[in-house]
Amino acid sequence: GENVEQHPSTLSVQEGDSAVIKCTYSDSASNYFPWYKQELGKRPQLIIDIRSNVGEKKDQRIAVTLNKTAKHFSLHITETQPEDSAVYFCAASQQGGYQKVTFGIGTKLQVIP
Amino acid sequence: GAVVSQHPSWVICKSGTSVKIECRSLDFQATTMFWYRQFPKQSLMLMATSNEGSKATYEQGVEKDKFLINHASLTLSTLTVTSAHPEDSSFYICSASNTGRPNNQPQHFGDGTRLSIL
Repeated sequence: GENVEQHPSTLSVQEGDSAVIKCTYSDSASNYFPWYKQELGKRPQLIIDIRSNVGEKKDQRIAVTLNKTAKHFSLHITETQPEDSAVYFCAASQQGGYQKVTFGIGTKLQVIP
Repeated sequence: GAVVSQHPSWVICKSGTSVKIECRSLDFQATTMFWYRQFPKQSLMLMATSNEGSKATYEQGVEKDKFLINHASLTLSTLTVTSAHPEDSSFYICSASNTGRPNNQPQHFGDGTRLSIL
């Protein structure tokens, strides 16, 4: 089955700096990679996703990159703000609602004002 | 769109009680829903895949007789924790994707149910 590794497990940055979270996956059949943000006691919320036919995707301050050959994908948050503080999960799956999603362990991001 | 409703949000009950958690897709049909368990400061652990009209598929190590799943319609899946004990205390969360969408992604999560067994 799929195995997703995520690092770092915790990350502290100063407000305004950039934050980068990296993930690797093991199953070459995986072709959909969502990122979720989870605030304490709340549901994970999708913040950005990328499919395997794309190498990079950007949405305002958030960007995701994918290297299929190396099976790496990363989340980049620029100009971080205190409200970005949360736990971020990367995930991998195959397209199709019947395919289960495998999550990384999560990264707790703290943005220091 | 793509709202998943989960109920109840919080349950506190005595050991030995059975607890039912509902997961509904409000504005889309979901042939498949997923049930996760999350311990504090940990990732989401998939427990089972709920399939409409058929038996659920359980992950290794998850007791199917302990965690009963029923997916009787395209918009509702239920998870029943039978004879719950303190070690079953956890945050349970469901997800679903719109089977009517191309590629059926992404997964949308319910708000979760915090289960505390005394």
